Amino acid sequence: SAVISQKPSRDICQRGTSLTIQCQVDSQVTMMFWYRQQPGQSLTLIATANQGSEATYESGFVIDKFPISRPNLTFSTLTVSNMSPEDSSIYLCSVVAGTGQPQHFGDGTRLSIL
Amino acid sequence: ILNVEQSPQSLHVQEGDSTNFTCSFPSSNFYALHWYRWETAKSPEALFVMTLNGDEKKKGRISATLNTKEGYSYLYIKGSQPEDSATYLCASPDNTNAGKSTFGDGTTLTVKP
Repeated sequence: SAVISQKPSRDICQRGTSLTIQCQVDSQVTMMFWYRQQPGQSLTLIATANQGSEATYESGFVIDKFPISRPNLTFSTLTVSNMSPEDSSIYLCSVVAGTGQPQHFGDGTRLSIL
Repeated sequence: ILNVEQSPQSLHVQEGDSTNFTCSFPSSNFYALHWYRWETAKSPEALFVMTLNGDEKKKGRISATLNTKEGYSYLYIKGSQPEDSATYLCASPDNTNAGKSTFGDGTTLTVKP
């Protein structure tokens, strides 16, 4: 299975700032996703990172708040913009080998906003 | 909207106890069901991929069953150990080519020595 490197692993940020999270995969993958888990809640899909085109966002998530880049089939970034305490979450990138296959996750970014 | 629900939300057991928890999902348009284990400070790791009604999968002391007609899956842990402490997630993958999954809220298991 793919090896996924995600960084930073954790950060503490000030309100109003932005943070970019990186996800590097050791092989080319078509399907890459960004999830978050807010405290006490389930893993929620933010968007599908599409190579060479704009990401596909789920209901409740917008590009201005969570801009995503996917310059090639091994790398993606998620930016959390203009952060507020409600953005304190674990953010995870994941890849899928094929339709119906389980997600393989990065180690996650634990983000706290002061 | 695809709703995946898990119960209980949390569970505390003594070492050596056997335990089980439930994942329910809409039975219409079923495609597959995944179980994950998510340990603290680690990433979620896939345990089982289940696709057929009546499926039973086993990995060591952990097993899972699937009933697609009534829309539920059970995860069983026999003789729980402290290292089994984790959050167990189930997820239903999208049945299109999208590759994404809808996750339940998880069951957090704590095994006391």
